[in-house]
Amino acid sequence: DADVTQTPRNRITKTGKRIMLECSQTKGHDRMYWYRQDPGLGLRLIYYSFDVKDINKGEISDGYSVSRQAQAKFSLSLESAIPNQTALYFCATNSGQGANEQFFGPGTRLTVL
Amino acid sequence: GQSLEQPSEVTAVEGAIVQINCTYQTSGFYGLSWYQQHDGGAPTFLSYNALDGLEETGRFSSFLSRSDSYGYLLLQELQMKDSASYFCAPSGNTPLVFGKGTRLSVIA
Repeated sequence: DADVTQTPRNRITKTGKRIMLECSQTKGHDRMYWYRQDPGLGLRLIYYSFDVKDINKGEISDGYSVSRQAQAKFSLSLESAIPNQTALYFCATNSGQGANEQFFGPGTRLTVL
Repeated sequence: GQSLEQPSEVTAVEGAIVQINCTYQTSGFYGLSWYQQHDGGAPTFLSYNALDGLEETGRFSSFLSRSDSYGYLLLQELQMKDSASYFCAPSGNTPLVFGKGTRLSVIA
C-alpha cells in the first residue's frame, strides 16, 4: 500500500462550489504539507502542519483552509472554488529529521470551471 | 526569508553528462535535497547533502558547498528516462520549499 494517499485523484467542479481534498499517510510522521503545482511555477506551499494541533500558512494560503484531524490525516478545503485554483495538488509528509525526505502522495488534479 | 535559483530548462544528449545548479538562501540551513518529478507524477527523493562535498548514488551525484550556499546535481550516462523536472530543496528552520525546478530534456 502507498505511504501517502490522496482522494479524489481527479475532480472537476464549478465556480463557487466547496471542495475538500483528503490526504492520509502511514509513515507515522508528525509533519504534513499541501502543495500546489501549476505549469512553469513549480511546487508552491499552501499550508503545513508540524503536529495535530499546529496549522501554518504557506506562501499561497488565500482561498484555502486545512484541517488536521489526526496525525495521519490532513485535508485541504476550497471554500468557494474559482477557476485559477485549477491545478495539481500534492499532499506530503516528512519526519523533520535526518535527510528529511519528503514523501508525496500521487496528487489530485482539480479543474474548476 | 528563503530563496532558490535553478535554471528553468536544460537539454542534453543521451549518454552525456549534465549538471543542474542550485543556489539557495534559507534560515537555519542544515542540508540540501534533490527531487525528481516525471510529467504527471509525484516528486520523488533523489539525494541529500548535509556536509560539503560530493555524494554519489549510481549515475547521480550531488554536491554541496555550504559556504557558497550552492549545490548541484550531476547526472551521468544520461538516459531518455531521465527526462523530468529536478528540484533542489534546502532544509532549514522553515518548511521544505521546492521552487520552480529545472526541466531536463534528454535527446537522442
